[in-house]
Amino acid sequence: DTAVSQTPKYLVTQMGNDKSIKCEQNLGHDTMYWYKQDSKKFLKIMFSYNNKELIINETVPNRFSPKSPDKAHLNLHINSLELGDSAVYFCASSPTLLGGGPYNEQFFGPGTRLTVL
Amino acid sequence: AQSVTQPDIHITVSEGASLELRCNYSYGATPYLFWYVQSPGQGLQLLLKYFSGDTLVQGIKGFEAEFKRSQSSFNLRKPSVHWSDAAEYFCAVGAQDDKIIFGKGTRLHILP
Repeated sequence: DTAVSQTPKYLVTQMGNDKSIKCEQNLGHDTMYWYKQDSKKFLKIMFSYNNKELIINETVPNRFSPKSPDKAHLNLHINSLELGDSAVYFCASSPTLLGGGPYNEQFFGPGTRLTVL
Repeated sequence: AQSVTQPDIHITVSEGASLELRCNYSYGATPYLFWYVQSPGQGLQLLLKYFSGDTLVQGIKGFEAEFKRSQSSFNLRKPSVHWSDAAEYFCAVGAQDDKIIFGKGTRLHILP
């Protein structure tokens, strides 16, 4: 029973191409996230969605477009891929946090390693 | 602005030895603090978290962490490490707007 799953696990593509990464969670969580982990292992949030609504957009180039068809899915589409987009992209989910209260655990997917040639 | 500092990029300990990984945070209010572990090629797994109450927090895999407000620290400890503990460890602080700010990680190496 995979809690947060991502496809594909590996993605190798040429500069200029457009690609998508899919994420699904079966935890019943309302909030989902995309993170980028660079070659130095630095983990930085890109986006978060709550019930299909964009909550966080962290100064990410508009070549990156998240899409949430329902609260269990958050996909990431990347246009015109660049060398600097090479990284591991993690999807995560957590229970609803809006309205205050303790910050809950985020559950992470296994990651998608994107290599742009 | 919220931030997390993990001063040690790499730590090497012998199997069976004790471990302490350092974490310092910067946050204006009561912090929500986390330690995550990332094994090679894997996603992140939560080891433990601190929201309030007892400042010594017990986690999975025999790990614990102590919150010290006066030192703005949340160091991770384990009394006796196993070879399977070799991984990347991330300290994180819960920030506004549901964000979690991660430190840059500490790579733990275990000597046989």
